[in-house]
Amino acid sequence: QKEVEQDPGPLSVPEGAIVSLNCTYSNSAFQYFMWYRQYSRKGPELLMYTYSSGNKEDGRFTAQVDKSSKYISLFIRDSQPSDSATYLCALNSGGYQKVTFGTGTKLQVIP
Amino acid sequence: DTAVSQTPKYLVTQMGNDKSIKCEQNLGHDTMYWYKQDSKKFLKIMFSYNNKELIINETVPNRFSPKSPDKAHLNLHINSLELGDSAVYFCASSLTLKDPLEKLFFGSGTQLSVL
Repeated sequence: QKEVEQDPGPLSVPEGAIVSLNCTYSNSAFQYFMWYRQYSRKGPELLMYTYSSGNKEDGRFTAQVDKSSKYISLFIRDSQPSDSATYLCALNSGGYQKVTFGTGTKLQVIP
Repeated sequence: DTAVSQTPKYLVTQMGNDKSIKCEQNLGHDTMYWYKQDSKKFLKIMFSYNNKELIINETVPNRFSPKSPDKAHLNLHINSLELGDSAVYFCASSLTLKDPLEKLFFGSGTQLSVL
């Protein structure tokens, strides 16, 4: 079993939809949670980070962490075609920046 | 100005050859990394360097040898290339090593194809 599981998609939604992207993890040592967005033929870029259970909101994006269930989510409200990308969850147990990435979910927002 | 730049962008080569990928960051960061992303988009850390010192070496074959001449540069040399080495290799940097939420800045990747 992989440490971090993420549905690869692709996920196709109409413009304006609410998108839910999810990861599950098995290692309870993970305490720090990030979401990266990767456009085609580009490197990943950090979208959001959090270290506590609960919700963190940034504009149209909300990151949600449930440590008891080992489940993290990224919600995108009012999705736009420019949100079309691969979204990778990234987890860290702390120290020395050894980040474990999920395999990414490819999202396509259709105009 | 590109923050993390790596060259070449594409690399096509024959099995058994030796090749190098170069990376430079102009962000003044202390820490640099090499990541490998396979065909299924799985992104896995290979190496990290902090101020030219090797910190993480993740069960990577000896054919892969990173070199950091200074903290702004991290190169990756690969000997005796194999088909399974085909992937996208990303260089990344971060301000420091120890903050687990420190943002990673990635380059645009080098697509390596071994024929």
